[in-house]
Amino acid sequence: QKEVEQNSGPLSVPEGAIASLNCTYSDRGSQSFFWYRQYSGKSPELIMFIYSNGDKEDGRFTAQLNKASQYVSLLIRDSQPSDSATYLCAVNNDYKLSFGAGTTVTVRA
Amino acid sequence: DTGVSQDPRHKITKRGQNVTFRCDPISEHNRLYWYRQTLGQGPEFLTYFQNEAQLEKSRLLSDRFSAERPKGSFSTLEIQRTEQGDSAMYLCASSLAGSSGSGEQFFGPGTRLTVL
Repeated sequence: QKEVEQNSGPLSVPEGAIASLNCTYSDRGSQSFFWYRQYSGKSPELIMFIYSNGDKEDGRFTAQLNKASQYVSLLIRDSQPSDSATYLCAVNNDYKLSFGAGTTVTVRA
Repeated sequence: DTGVSQDPRHKITKRGQNVTFRCDPISEHNRLYWYRQTLGQGPEFLTYFQNEAQLEKSRLLSDRFSAERPKGSFSTLEIQRTEQGDSAMYLCASSLAGSSGSGEQFFGPGTRLTVL
């Protein structure tokens, strides 16, 4: 079992819709969780982090964490063509990050 | 805040040659990390430093790989006797550990290595 698993993509959504990305992790002791956005050929860019169960909102992005279910999600509201990218879920294990393989999102104009 | 910088951005080398990459972290960050990313995969942890001490190395880091952070500022990653399987994007990240920092890691632009 991989440490971090993300829902397989690609995910195609129309402009203005909500994109929903899911991530599960295997280490029940994990404490902090991150979402990175990566454009093709570029490095990962941190967009959200969450430490506590529940929702955390930042602009059009909402991260949701459920430690009991070992589940993290990212919602992108009012999706824009500029949101087209690969989204990486990362879990902090003893300071290092374990990443999922990413979910590629395409926003259709 | 100039962000994390890496040099070179691209490196093409022949199999068997040695290569060295440099990373300059965000100035106040005391932790520095190296990751490797291949196409279609997320970054994989290689090693990390707190100040000048190398605290953990992944089993992915064979004895051909060595990393240093001699004065707790910039870091170098050297790969000796490169193999075609070493072709990847090498990413450096930094973070601020301690009560004043939240521990988020910020990545540099990466060094893309191609081994012919």
